Amino acid sequence: GAGVSQSPSNKVTEKGKDVELRCDPISGHTALYWYRQSLGQGLEFLIYFQGNSAPDKSGLPSDRFSAERTGGSVSTLTIQRTQQEDSAVYLCASSLGQATDTQYFGPGTRLTVL
Amino acid sequence: AQSVTQLDSHVSVSEGTPVLLRCNYSSSYSPSLFWYVQHPNKGLQLLLKYTSAATLVKGINGFEAEFKKSETSFHLTKPSAHMSDAAEYFCVVSVQGNTPLVFGKGTRLSVIA
Repeated sequence: GAGVSQSPSNKVTEKGKDVELRCDPISGHTALYWYRQSLGQGLEFLIYFQGNSAPDKSGLPSDRFSAERTGGSVSTLTIQRTQQEDSAVYLCASSLGQATDTQYFGPGTRLTVL
Repeated sequence: AQSVTQLDSHVSVSEGTPVLLRCNYSSSYSPSLFWYVQHPNKGLQLLLKYTSAATLVKGINGFEAEFKKSETSFHLTKPSAHMSDAAEYFCVVSVQGNTPLVFGKGTRLSVIA
């Protein structure tokens, strides 16, 4: 079956512009996560959605970052007024939503802010 | 709070020799532990996971890991390295299944012919 998909695979933008990154989780997965992978910082958690519960936003680095999950499926991560330090690979993962379930990762979106 | 320490940032082995990637964790609760692999320009792939069942966990591609509570370790091993094993390996901890994963800094495995 289809895995987690993300688009675009690569995004180059100018400093100060807004960007939207999309994640399509595996069908039937109720939990969805966003992570960021950058040089020197490793992989860090950004935000987590579980069913209809309020998202866990504790990992968002600033108020320029936000995310939505519409209809319990597709999610969009938005970065406003991008900065050069936002350059990273943004990874999305989904899981069935039960304890100990595996998180399956998408291929990521590589964001470059010039 | 939970954390993971991967003791080596880079490991280099010859093809056909054993692989040992070391990981220590810290958790106030019974953790779930994972090893993920990331090949260049590819997504993260689950190698294996420990979730309080058998302490010796077998994964894909001949890898296995042993959960040792007394040592708070979850080292990844493989008896014989293959060139295709060259990649970045991440040790990961989760306190409860649906909480965000906490990743180690990664260990880059090089395999020399």
